[in-house]
Amino acid sequence: DIQMTQSPSSLSASVGDRVTITCRASQGISNSLAWFQQKPGKAPKSLIYAASSLHSGVPSKFSGSGSGTDFTLTISSLQPEDFATYYCQQYNSYPFTFGPGTKVDIK
Amino acid sequence: EVQLVESGGGLVQPGGSLRLSCAASGFTFSSFGMNWVRQAPGKGLEWVSYISSSSSTIYYADSVKGRFTISRDNAKNSLYLQMNSLRDEDTAVYYCVRGGSDYWGQGTLVTVSS
Repeated sequence: DIQMTQSPSSLSASVGDRVTITCRASQGISNSLAWFQQKPGKAPKSLIYAASSLHSGVPSKFSGSGSGTDFTLTISSLQPEDFATYYCQQYNSYPFTFGPGTKVDIK
Repeated sequence: EVQLVESGGGLVQPGGSLRLSCAASGFTFSSFGMNWVRQAPGKGLEWVSYISSSSSTIYYADSVKGRFTISRDNAKNSLYLQMNSLRDEDTAVYYCVRGGSDYWGQGTLVTVSS
């Protein structure tokens, strides 16, 4: 199985900050990576697929990059509605696996 | 508008069974593979099972293999998860997720406890 790791596990940031989250796969997954945002008590929301493509309706302040084993999610200017937990997921091969999540909270 | 609505969750004793359903609307259900993903209380996301659009391909996580069965009825636009021999560690919110993970249901809570 492909293992996914994320760093940091949590971070504190201020409104307006640029935030970067890293996701690493235990083996190459090409660009078969997705990013999700989850707020407490809510279902995850899809942000990015194919490592760098934004889902419809997702604001352009979110961006993704990477290929192979190393990926990043960047939020260009953090807003109050962006405080949440972010997960990456590989869909290169089953079982699809998620990273452990990165919690972004208010400094 | 794409909608995925799960139902069937509840409290069940260890060793018991439960059947989850997911009603899909707003898209051509028969054209998409579907997944179940779960989240234990306070924990991260865990993929559980996948079924292709025609039911010809099915995958399970090792943690549920042999106990859970995924199925679908394209005529009824519905996805199912039959869960048998339930364990405490199966306690979670179960999400129905369209293939590609672009749309998620609101989830249904399964609690396994005596």
